[in-house]
Amino acid sequence: KQEVTQIPAALSVPEGENLVLNCSFTDSAIYNLQWFRQDPGKGLTSLLLIQSSQREQTSGRLNASLDKSSGRSTLYIAASQPGDSATYLCAVPQGTGGFKTIFGAGTRLFVKA
Amino acid sequence: EAQVTQNPRYLITVTGKKLTVTCSQNMNHEYMSWYRQDPGLGLRQIYYSMNVEVTDKGDVPEGYKVSRKEKRNFPLILESPSPNQTSLYFCASSLSPPERNYGYTFGSGTRLTVV
Repeated sequence: KQEVTQIPAALSVPEGENLVLNCSFTDSAIYNLQWFRQDPGKGLTSLLLIQSSQREQTSGRLNASLDKSSGRSTLYIAASQPGDSATYLCAVPQGTGGFKTIFGAGTRLFVKA
Repeated sequence: EAQVTQNPRYLITVTGKKLTVTCSQNMNHEYMSWYRQDPGLGLRQIYYSMNVEVTDKGDVPEGYKVSRKEKRNFPLILESPSPNQTSLYFCASSLSPPERNYGYTFGSGTRLTVV
């Protein structure tokens, strides 16, 4: 059964720092991996989706990489800002059609001004 | 604006009183799904729907029902709510099955409290 783990569970950094969030999965037979941002008490906002055939995706200051063979994805945030403070989750569809999706528990990020 | 709309945003109810949380999307998405989010347990899938009249169980379906009579709507029904169903609920949709790499769009959530 697919398991998705995110380390660290929480992270506090000063403004301007570059940082890396990690997502590990146990079954490398994935269709894609999606990164989300969640603000407290709010819904999930899609950040990036990496297809299984891709190595990385970029959007602004965000860069997500995927290494299926090692079961890892990283989300790199450049020049962090206080507005980046949120919980970041990764998710992996599984099973036929990818109808069931497994989420990691998330990394809570706090960027200090 | 393309979106997934959930209603209500907040709901407090009593044990055993049937309730429905509505979910509607305006993007003509085939795939829709319900999740619950609990502290320490993360997001867990309740039910999903591949298309009209096609639904299936996720990981935690007990105590819930769903229906998909129209493509745009996917209501979540709690026939007899219990306190252990107190949670933050999210509806999500995708253009096609997740294997096709379209990704999810999430609603804003419904915070349910059962007393």
